[in-house]
Amino acid sequence: DGGITQSPKYLFRKEGQNVTLSCEQNLNHDAMYWYRQDPGQGLRLIYYSQIVNDFQKGDIAEGYSVSREKKESFPLTVTSAQKNPTAFYLCASHHGGAGAKNIQYFGAGTRLSVL
Amino acid sequence: GQQLNQSPQSMFIQEGEDVSMNCTSSSIFNTWLWYKQDPGEGPVLLIALYKAGELTSNGRLTAQFGITRKDSFLNISASIPSDVGIYFCAGLSLLSYNTDKLIFGTGTRLQVFP
Repeated sequence: DGGITQSPKYLFRKEGQNVTLSCEQNLNHDAMYWYRQDPGQGLRLIYYSQIVNDFQKGDIAEGYSVSREKKESFPLTVTSAQKNPTAFYLCASHHGGAGAKNIQYFGAGTRLSVL
Repeated sequence: GQQLNQSPQSMFIQEGEDVSMNCTSSSIFNTWLWYKQDPGEGPVLLIALYKAGELTSNGRLTAQFGITRKDSFLNISASIPSDVGIYFCAGLSLLSYNTDKLIFGTGTRLQVFP
């Protein structure tokens, strides 16, 4: 089945620890995105990547890092510099290019909590 | 970052009632999308709109792209218990067209009582 797979579903972070959230897509999409969701605040963009080996900061990139070494993978690292990491993290992808209809497709999310 | 004004924030309705929610922006959009999110899951696309004035249906759902290009609404007719969830609007403004960065509303939480 084609889709976006996020893992793990639940993740716990200790103080001072870096954790990495996985996002893999087999849709052959060019663009991938990471969002953070807090109650009552909608989705806020952390990082996005429109092509392999290139990525851009979103609105709340501080304390996060990403890489895009392969088209199908866009992992997000929540670093110890992110002081309030507890949230629901969503990965999305988009076909990209002219005529792509601007539709982003989402994974099932990872819920990160601090121990 | 910019967010869309989405209202109402929450709705508590009885099964069978119709529902209406809307999103407004201070800037012009050329794409409006409506998503539904079930608890603990990712958003799923319901309807996509690309032209001012466009009216599109998906079963009991109907959405419209406002004539001014600064708003959109979503209607749900004859609600059923599985309509429960959070509904998000999302849009692509002309300023963000080359980055494909969507702007999201804050969501409308819908609760349906039997």
